[in-house]
Parts: sequence; structure tokens; C-alpha cells
Amino acid sequence: LAKTTQPISMDSYEGQEVNITCSHNNIATNDYITWYQQFPSQGPRFIIQGYKTKVTNEVASLFIPADRKSSTLSLPRVSLSDTAVYYCLVAGGAGTALIFGKGTTLSVSS
Amino acid sequence: EPEVTQTPSHQVTQMGQEVILRCVPISNHLYFYWYRQILGQKVEFLVSFYNNEISEKSEIFDDQFSVERPDGSNFTLKIRSTKLEDSAMYFCASRPRDRITYEQYFGPGTRLTVT
Repeated sequence: LAKTTQPISMDSYEGQEVNITCSHNNIATNDYITWYQQFPSQGPRFIIQGYKTKVTNEVASLFIPADRKSSTLSLPRVSLSDTAVYYCLVAGGAGTALIFGKGTTLSVSS
Repeated sequence: EPEVTQTPSHQVTQMGQEVILRCVPISNHLYFYWYRQILGQKVEFLVSFYNNEISEKSEIFDDQFSVERPDGSNFTLKIRSTKLEDSAMYFCASRPRDRITYEQYFGPGTRLTVT
């Protein structure tokens, strides 16, 4: 299973765009990159997943370069409610377990 | 929107006692999971369940743990003889089979406190 590395913490202000980069140098050909968000005392919540290039949904964008050894989660115009832990995960195979790292604690202030 | 539910929200038990944590996955989902998170630590995978059998388990999931899907809706995690170090938040998750997605739907968790 590919190991992921991401910053332990990040700080931002309301209204700014936040980019969290994750490295996964040993990603396998059939692995997808997925990001989850977790608020205190709640279960993780799926944000976005991708295989290559760019994926966008109503919450975030995910940028994956051609070599797939890293990925960047982009949160546009963050608000206080985006303060949470963000996890980058690499997963392959249907039904596979999610292996969480320590994630990036994002703190958004006004 | 359908959601995963878990009961109880908080369970306090004495060391050595058996506990059963209950989960109701989303109704058309076919993969089920248990994870735990010790306070201040990362989310850890325990076990996955598909087609009425365990499909994958971690080193944490030893003989003290068992899972069951006793009927068409519930998914339970049993800890036979709890230890202090079993104190954690336990999350149930489920996902459908018919999509290429790694989106697992997590429940709100059960906080287990072993005294």
C-alpha cells in the first residue's frame, strides 16, 4: 500500500483558497487518490477522488500530475466551518479498506 | 439523504465485560467496515465484511473481536472481554458495490469508554 505524506497542519483565513499537497511516491497503477474530511467527534466524510489530471466537484478540486506521485486538494474560499482534519488516502481495488494517516489539520480563522 | 446510524452513541463498560456496538448501514450498500479512533490518534481500520463474511482484517482485529450481520439491516461489532486500551471512538462505514468509488459512508460513531 502506497504511503502518503502531507503537512501536519495549515492555517488560513476566511475567503482564501487553500491547497493541501500530498505525496504518494509508491502509488500503484490501479490506485485511486481519495480525500476525506473529519470534524472533531465525527466520522470521516468523503470529499473527492481521482485517478489523474483534474477532478472538480461542488466542494473541492483535486489536481493530479501525470506521474501521479503527488496530488493537491484545493478548497476555494474557505470558511470557519472548513476547520477540520483532511486526509489523503491511496486506495486500490473495490471494497478495499481505507488506511488513514495523521492527516492535515486545517485551521481557518476570521 | 440516507445515512449510516450507530447505537449507542456512548457506551461505558468495565474491563473484562463484553460489548456489542451496533450499526445500520445504508440499505443498498454491500460492503461494511469497522474503524476505530483512539482519542487524539488516527483512524484505524479494523475489519471489512462482504457477502456475509470477513473480507479483510487488521492486526488489531484479534480473537477478542467479532462481527456479525444478524439480519438484513444490522451490522455489529462485538468485543468479548474489553480492555482499557479498547477505549476509543468506533466508526461503522458502508459503501455500495456497483460504483468505482472509494467513497465510504461513515456513521457518527460510538464512543466506548472502558473503566
